[in-house]
Amino acid sequence: GENVEQHPSTLSVQEGDSAVIKCTYSDSASNYFPWYKQELGKGPQLIIDIRSNVGEKKDQRIAVTLNKTAKHFSLHITETQPEDSAVYFCAAPDILTGGGNKLTFGTGTQLKVEL
Amino acid sequence: DTAVSQTPKYLVTQMGNDKSIKCEQNLGHDTMYWYKQDSKKFLKIMFSYNNKELIINETVPNRFSPKSPDKAHLNLHINSLELGDSAVYFCASSPGPHTDTQYFGPGTRLTVL
Repeated sequence: GENVEQHPSTLSVQEGDSAVIKCTYSDSASNYFPWYKQELGKGPQLIIDIRSNVGEKKDQRIAVTLNKTAKHFSLHITETQPEDSAVYFCAAPDILTGGGNKLTFGTGTQLKVEL
Repeated sequence: DTAVSQTPKYLVTQMGNDKSIKCEQNLGHDTMYWYKQDSKKFLKIMFSYNNKELIINETVPNRFSPKSPDKAHLNLHINSLELGDSAVYFCASSPGPHTDTQYFGPGTRLTVL
């Protein structure tokens, strides 16, 4: 099955700085890589995703890069703001035979943006 | 206009009791999921249903029994609750079962005393 590793587990940055969170995956057949943001007391919410046919995707201050050869993908947040403080999860699909796919999540990164 | 809703939001109960958590989605999705998030925030899938049919069943004690009366609802019943069942349980849905975006509910925090 799929194995997803995520680093760092905690990240503290100053407001306005950039933050980078990195993930690696094990299954070379994986083709979809979402990133979720979980605020305190809420469920995870998708913030950006990338499919394996592109190497980079950007949405305002958030970008994701994918290196299929190395089997890793990263989340980049620029000009961080206090409201970016949350736990961020990467995920990759575990492609199952005979049924659906399931998402395997990384262990999460607690991002703290300090004033 | 809530997309994925769960009830209750908090559940406090004694060891040995039986409890249920309900989930509903109004997105018209075919696939629904139950996840467990432990105290270290680790998020792990438990079950998935596609159009009322069980398609994913992870290594979960058989005290946990999901039920999907229709494709908009997925409930989770837990028998003989144990201390280790304390966690936040999330319901999610997606348009289909193959690497589609998953939309999560607000979670149910279960505390077993």
